[in-house]
Amino acid sequence: AQSVSQHNHHVILSEAASLELGCNYSYGGTVNLFWYVQYPGQHLQLLLKYFSGDPLVKGIKGFEAEFIKSKFSFNLRKPSVQWSDTAEYFCAVSGGTSYGKLTFGQGTILTVHP
Amino acid sequence: DGGITQSPKYLFRKEGQNVTLSCEQNLNHDAMYWYRQDPGQGLRLIYYSQIVNDFQKGDIAEGYSVSREKKESFPLTVTSAQKNPTAFYLCASRVAGGHHNEQFFGPGTRLTVL
Repeated sequence: AQSVSQHNHHVILSEAASLELGCNYSYGGTVNLFWYVQYPGQHLQLLLKYFSGDPLVKGIKGFEAEFIKSKFSFNLRKPSVQWSDTAEYFCAVSGGTSYGKLTFGQGTILTVHP
Repeated sequence: DGGITQSPKYLFRKEGQNVTLSCEQNLNHDAMYWYRQDPGQGLRLIYYSQIVNDFQKGDIAEGYSVSREKKESFPLTVTSAQKNPTAFYLCASRVAGGHHNEQFFGPGTRLTVL
């Protein structure tokens, strides 16, 4: 069975600080990895995804993530956060014969102070 | 506008009552999903459907039921057998096929059992 672990439940930063949110997954086969974001009062939306090729993927709003297969990790990064990045972030994985089903991590709440 | 609609936004139910949550999509997606979101637990899969008239249980299907009579619609019934139904319910859809196709989410329904 797949599982996803996000290390931080709540991260608090000041504007312009750098961000790294950890995500580790357990699955032995080929995986597809996703980061979703849920801004206050808005739909869950896709930030970025990895399914093959360059392990460093870039997403919307200046976010990027690196897939490190040997570490089963897919950490999310942003060099300089803004107040508008305040949201909850979810890492998710699908793979094998899962029919596109996603297994989500517990989520990380990011609070950015102006 | 293409997208996923869920209704109602807020729903209150008395203990012992069944309640049905609506999910409609006009994205022409074959696959549809229902998740439950609880604080600190991420999203957990309740049911999913890859095609009309077919659906499968997810990780936490007990106390829930679904139907898929039309491609556009995937209603979820929360029955009185669900022990802890108060939660935020999210519906999603995706293009069937490749695992890298992301899921698109609706705005959610917040169910409160009184």
